[in-house]
Amino acid sequence: DIQMTQSPSTLSASVGDRLTITCRASQSISNWLAWYQQKPGKAPKVIIYDASTLESGVPSRFSGSGSGTEFNLTISSLQPDDFATYYCQQSGAYLRLWTFGQGTRVEI
Amino acid sequence: EVFLVESGGGLVKTGESLRLTCEVSGFTITTYAVTWVRQAPGKGLEWVSSISAGGDYIYYSPAVQGRFTIFGDSSKNSVYLQMGNVRVEDTAVYYCARDARQSHPYFDSWGLGTLVTVSS
Repeated sequence: DIQMTQSPSTLSASVGDRLTITCRASQSISNWLAWYQQKPGKAPKVIIYDASTLESGVPSRFSGSGSGTEFNLTISSLQPDDFATYYCQQSGAYLRLWTFGQGTRVEI
Repeated sequence: EVFLVESGGGLVKTGESLRLTCEVSGFTITTYAVTWVRQAPGKGLEWVSSISAGGDYIYYSPAVQGRFTIFGDSSKNSVYLQMGNVRVEDTAVYYCARDARQSHPYFDSWGLGTLVTVSS
């Protein structure tokens, strides 16, 4: 199975900060990576797919980069609505065993 | 507009069975794949199982292979997760989600989830 490792696990930040979350895959997944945002008690919401494509309706302060085994999610200027937990998810596995990272909690 | 609604969660004992239902609208399960993802209390997301559009291909995580069965009913536009021989570690909120595309999917619409609690 492909393991996905996110860092950091928790990130303390302030409104207006620029922050980056990293996701590393245990083997190459090309660009088959998505990022999700989840708020407490809510379902996840996709924000980036194919490593760098912004989902429709998602603010442009979110961006994604990377390929192969290392990927980043960047928020250029953190807004109050962005405090949440973020997960990466790979869909590059040959046997269709999709996996998520363990999550990064962004808190004040 | 796309909606997915899960139901069927509840409290069960180890070794028992439970069937979860994902009723979808705004698309058909003959044209989109559907996936189940679970989240244990206070933990992260875990992919559980997927069924292709039309149901020809089915996939399971190793954690549930042999115990859970996914299937669809196109007449009801619903996907089901039959959970068998449940374990305490199956306790989680179970979400169903739509695969945005057949190959290398990401999940673009999600239900609100249904809670399954397994007690010993």
